[in-house]
Amino acid sequence: GAGVSQTPSNKVTEKGKYVELRCDPISGHTALYWYRQSLGQGPEFLIYFQGTGAADDSGLPNDRFFAVRPEGSVSTLKIQRTERGDSAVYLCASSLGRTPSTDTQYFGPGTRLTVL
Amino acid sequence: GENVEQHPSTLSVQEGDSAVIKCTYSDSASNYFPWYKQELGKGPQLIIDIRSNVGEKKDQRIAVTLNKTAKHFSLHITETQPEDSAVYFCAAKRMTGNQFYFGTGTSLTVIP
Repeated sequence: GAGVSQTPSNKVTEKGKYVELRCDPISGHTALYWYRQSLGQGPEFLIYFQGTGAADDSGLPNDRFFAVRPEGSVSTLKIQRTERGDSAVYLCASSLGRTPSTDTQYFGPGTRLTVL
Repeated sequence: GENVEQHPSTLSVQEGDSAVIKCTYSDSASNYFPWYKQELGKGPQLIIDIRSNVGEKKDQRIAVTLNKTAKHFSLHITETQPEDSAVYFCAAKRMTGNQFYFGTGTSLTVIP
């Protein structure tokens, strides 16, 4: 497929557990974003990658959240010691990554995380 | 940081009528304003965008207007159709920045 894919589509975990959420961006897109969307809210920026490096991680809420993109393509968002407040839809988006950027962001369908 | 407010939160219109959604922003340095449509179970999809060097942009039944002085921008959908029913988000960004700041969304229902 040509779009952004995210796995799993749904993840249910228990409080205190560790989770990994995966994002496969569109091939050739160097920019990758992670967002968190709570019910009834707009997407909230978490982190931005340009290539392999995290160019801006100022949106990560605390040090339980971490993301990697080791080869400049697939990215994984990692959440340690999950809390009930982490429950949300986690969205990934990719774009061509030109600077300055008004490139179209293409969003994946999201991963719905539920922390019991 | 930027603060984007969006109104109304819900909007119902009869098929064929127009729908208008309004957003305000706080950061005068923001200069790129995209609009997204999000259908149930899907990620947001860009439908139209505007840069701060123009006041209006139109694409078929969709138009966006921007008032830089007042720091507000609006989405206009004419001749609405049932398939326009979705949640719409506005966003703001500095073209030299990385972060998109989203509004809280408007749930649009078009009644056949």
